[in-house]
Amino acid sequence: DTAVSQTPKYLVTQMGNDKSIKCEQNLGHDTMYWYKQDSKKFLKIMFSYNNKELIINETVPNRFSPKSPDKAHLNLHINSLELGDSAVYFCASSHYRSVLHSGANVLTFGAGSRLTVL
Amino acid sequence: GENVEQHPSTLSVQEGDSAVIKCTYSDSASNYFPWYKQELGKGPQLIIDIRSNVGEKKDQRIAVTLNKTAKHFSLHITETQPEDSAVYFCAATLRSGGSNYKLTFGKGTLLTVNP
Repeated sequence: DTAVSQTPKYLVTQMGNDKSIKCEQNLGHDTMYWYKQDSKKFLKIMFSYNNKELIINETVPNRFSPKSPDKAHLNLHINSLELGDSAVYFCASSHYRSVLHSGANVLTFGAGSRLTVL
Repeated sequence: GENVEQHPSTLSVQEGDSAVIKCTYSDSASNYFPWYKQELGKGPQLIIDIRSNVGEKKDQRIAVTLNKTAKHFSLHITETQPEDSAVYFCAATLRSGGSNYKLTFGKGTLLTVNP
């Protein structure tokens, strides 16, 4: 059983289109994340949700809208796609809302969704 | 700029040699420092972590050391094998406004172990 699963694995689309990436975790975690990995492999957090509540929202364009229907799912919708959105998007999950409160927040990552905008 | 710096960006070693990757962080409140390994086409996977109340931790061929005063921590891999080839990321907890903290990653080190 895949712990954190993302779909689709690959997504190729034209500039200006709207697309979604879905994520599901079966670990019983209460916190989920979206990370973006650019072509230089830099991993940067975009959003974090705890029990469907948005708790971290980095300086991400509002074309990106995360949605968490329940604590096991976190989807990412992107409007008006731009060339610079091309990247691998990773979903992750963990047990605790506040890393410092928990002392050790272990992230479990999905396999990634490679988005290519032409 | 980023708050977790990682060096080197690439590292090539011969099989059997040791590899060392170093990271520094800026937030003195950081108290958790994990290391992740990312193989080609996969998501990052935790390999070892250390908390701020510990100076060193070892798990078979990998070890991590932490110097809280200097705000740096390192990953040591001994007796490297070709399957150790991957991108390695250090991370540290950093403040994200209010009382929220996030895990922030270094830029990664591409380790190549030559047979």
